[in-house]
Amino acid sequence: GQQVMQIPQYQHVQEGEDFTTYCNSSTTLSNIQWYKQRPGGHPVFLIQLVKSGEVKKQKRLTFQFGEAKKNSSLHITATQTTDVGTYFCGNDMRFGAGTRLTVKP
Amino acid sequence: DSGVTQTPKHLITATGQRVTLRCSPRSGDLSVYWYQQSLDQGLQFLIHYYNGEERAKGNILERFSAQQFPDLHSELNLSSLELGDSALYFCASSVGAAGYQPQHFGDGTRLSIL
Repeated sequence: GQQVMQIPQYQHVQEGEDFTTYCNSSTTLSNIQWYKQRPGGHPVFLIQLVKSGEVKKQKRLTFQFGEAKKNSSLHITATQTTDVGTYFCGNDMRFGAGTRLTVKP
Repeated sequence: DSGVTQTPKHLITATGQRVTLRCSPRSGDLSVYWYQQSLDQGLQFLIHYYNGEERAKGNILERFSAQQFPDLHSELNLSSLELGDSALYFCASSVGAAGYQPQHFGDGTRLSIL
């Protein structure tokens, strides 16, 4: 079945550095959703992208949906310790394995 | 607070036993989804119900079953439990049946098999 692949699996950054996680699919996606799960918490919906080439921003977070609607990325500018957690991309109940972000103060 | 309620929060039992996990969706949401998250792993989709009817099945074992009741709450039944079933089980809900709607997750039930 359709799979959503996410890389990297882990990312450790120094506070203030940027962070990017990538989501890829072998098939065209109708939409892509991004979630954040804090350590010990539950996934929380961040955003949904639907249109080809769509770019959305939430403060320091920038979400992109590829032109072919087969890939997506989440970029965090100037990470803060509050950004720690696992970021999941998902489509129609299929989720990537997630990227665990740790931030060193 | 997502509005999704899961009980119990923790469950400790032994191999071979049977347990029931309960989920109450957000008010107004008709869809309920169940996911399994093993330690440091991703979210494995188990099953989706919409307004009482099963809509999609994922990697759900035959030992597992679920249902959604007329009041829209859902139960996930796990039987003949094995050590490998130890995991965090999340329930999520959304307004509609399609994958377009954002899902709202509960706090999860942590199941430990001894």
